[in-house]
Amino acid sequence: GAGVSQTPSNKVTEKGKYVELRCDPISGHTALYWYRQSLGQGPEFLIYFQGTGAADDSGLPNDRFFAVRPEGSVSTLKIQRTERGDSAVYLCASSLNPGEETQYFGPGTRLLVL
Amino acid sequence: QKEVEQNSGPLSVPEGAIASLNCTYSDRGSQSFFWYRQYSGKSPELIMFIYSNGDKEDGRFTAQLNKASQYVSLLIRDSQPSDSATYLCAVNSYGQNFVFGPGTRLSVLP
Repeated sequence: GAGVSQTPSNKVTEKGKYVELRCDPISGHTALYWYRQSLGQGPEFLIYFQGTGAADDSGLPNDRFFAVRPEGSVSTLKIQRTERGDSAVYLCASSLNPGEETQYFGPGTRLLVL
Repeated sequence: QKEVEQNSGPLSVPEGAIASLNCTYSDRGSQSFFWYRQYSGKSPELIMFIYSNGDKEDGRFTAQLNKASQYVSLLIRDSQPSDSATYLCAVNSYGQNFVFGPGTRLSVLP
């Protein structure tokens, strides 16, 4: 079956603009994770959904970042008033169940804030 | 704060040799341990996971876990140039988020 998909694959925006990044997990996967990865670093946890609810949003860096998963499938990561420091690859992953099951990563969205 | 540490490398080994990648973690309550491979410009892909102390083998890969020492390692036997990538160690507990290390760059020289 299809893997995790993310759109857009690349996004260039200007400082101060609003962006939305979309993640479509593997069908049937209840857990969905968002990460941010900067060059030379490992993925940094942002938020994790179990179904429709955010089970852990402790990784969101500030209130400019928000994510939703209204129907327990597709998720959108929203960034308001983007800053140059938000430039990174945003990775989405899903797993069948939370925690103990392995997670499968999407190809990522490369965000560049000018 | 939960931390996962890895040597950033690069770790260079000749083709055919054994590559040994190491990872330590701070949260003694961690239950699951994962190794991911990430090629440049690509997303991480799972190599293997381990839950119990000891060794777990899968083809050319062996994961080793020592919970008392809070240490997990990955051995790659008969290293190939195609194994050249960044190897990420990740740790979690059930129902909690994954914590990734910074990754170790491995270079296998022909």
